[in-house]
Amino acid sequence: AQTVTQSQPEMSVQEAETVTLSCTYDTSESDYYLFWYKQPPSRQMILVIRQEAYKQQNATENRFSVNFQKAAKSFSLKISDSQLGDAAMYFCAYRLDRGTDKLIFGTGTRLQVFP
Amino acid sequence: NAGVTQTPKFRVLKTGQSMTLLCAQDMNHEYMYWYRQDPGMGLRLIHYSVGEGTTAKGEVPDGYNVSRLKKQNFLLGLESAAPSQTSVYFCASSRGLDRIYNEQFFGPGTRLTVL
Repeated sequence: AQTVTQSQPEMSVQEAETVTLSCTYDTSESDYYLFWYKQPPSRQMILVIRQEAYKQQNATENRFSVNFQKAAKSFSLKISDSQLGDAAMYFCAYRLDRGTDKLIFGTGTRLQVFP
Repeated sequence: NAGVTQTPKFRVLKTGQSMTLLCAQDMNHEYMYWYRQDPGMGLRLIHYSVGEGTTAKGEVPDGYNVSRLKKQNFLLGLESAAPSQTSVYFCASSRGLDRIYNEQFFGPGTRLTVL
């Protein structure tokens, strides 16, 4: 069975600085997708970034980028130039590349951003 | 285009009472999902549906039933609520049907408290 582990329950960063959130996963599959979701206090789940396992190049979306290490089964999220609006829960998620689009989530990392 | 909506937003039940949560999507998506979110647990899949008239169990299905009588609606039922079902419930939908990446779109969540 696939599992997703986020070992950092809480992280903090100063505004304009860079922070990295960690995620590891366990799977025996070779084709899958990985995601980072943001959940602000409004509770709405917002997709931040995704990575296809068959792509070696790390995904980037503006200030958000990932470090995808397939052999190590590691998928970290780097937030550059942190802003107050980045404060939220961040969830790492895994999806198998076939079947039902089901997501398996990690337990989340609460990010605080200080001015 | 409202996306994914959930009714109600908040509900308080007494142990043993029953209720139904309604999820509706207007994106003509084939797949729909119900998750629960508990502190420190991330989101866990309760039930899902890959098409009208079909449902399947997810990771934590006990105590819940679902129905997908119409493509746009996915109902989650609690027949006899228990305090352990106190949680935030999220509905999501995705296009499904093919191997191309399908993003899951989430509703705003329903906070349920069982006393």
